Amino acid sequence: KNEVEQSPQNLTAQEGEFITINCSYSVGISALHWLQQHPGGGIVSLFMLSSGKKKHGRLIATINIQEKHSSLHITASHPRDSAVYICAVRGNTDKLIFGTGTRLQVFP
Amino acid sequence: SQTIHQWPATLVQPVGSPLSLECTVEGTSNPNLYWYRQAAGRGLQLLFYSVGIGQISSEVPQNLSASRPQDRQFILSSKKLLLSDSGFYLCAWSTGTTRGDTQYFGPGTRLTVL
Repeated sequence: KNEVEQSPQNLTAQEGEFITINCSYSVGISALHWLQQHPGGGIVSLFMLSSGKKKHGRLIATINIQEKHSSLHITASHPRDSAVYICAVRGNTDKLIFGTGTRLQVFP
Repeated sequence: SQTIHQWPATLVQPVGSPLSLECTVEGTSNPNLYWYRQAAGRGLQLLFYSVGIGQISSEVPQNLSASRPQDRQFILSSKKLLLSDSGFYLCAWSTGTTRGDTQYFGPGTRLTVL
């Protein structure tokens, strides 16, 4: 079993829909990251969380440390949101442990 | 502002040939530097990380090596490529001043070994 699990693996949505991507982890962490990987491969860091909730534009990330779970929400989704979203946790060794990603496709 | 460069962007190499991928960071001093590989259909895997010149830690035993000849330069090498070395290679940097610091990724190099 992977230390970081994401669900779903693939997600399709119509433009305007509210989207949720989930991340569960089984190790103790100091921080959790959400990353976005564009079709060309480039990766952008979206959020770094250690507790609570963060919001940036239409993106919201939450984390529940007790339940070892985080969610990434996209409100009013748009085709340009189509990408792979990756959850990564920083464990006690200070290394990032990555999930395998969620491929999102938003259709107009 | 800080920027990170990687080259080449794409590379096709025959099995058994050598490899050299370069990563440079601008606009920051003494960054932590990382090499990751993303194989097809798989998550990111940390290969090497460096906290300073000449200081390299290897995460996964393999036929790859890394060097840091200058503060903001990180090089990934191989003497003889294997088919299994194909993948997308990403370099990243962080300030490393606190635990949980954000890592900033380069544009990546897509390597195909034939």
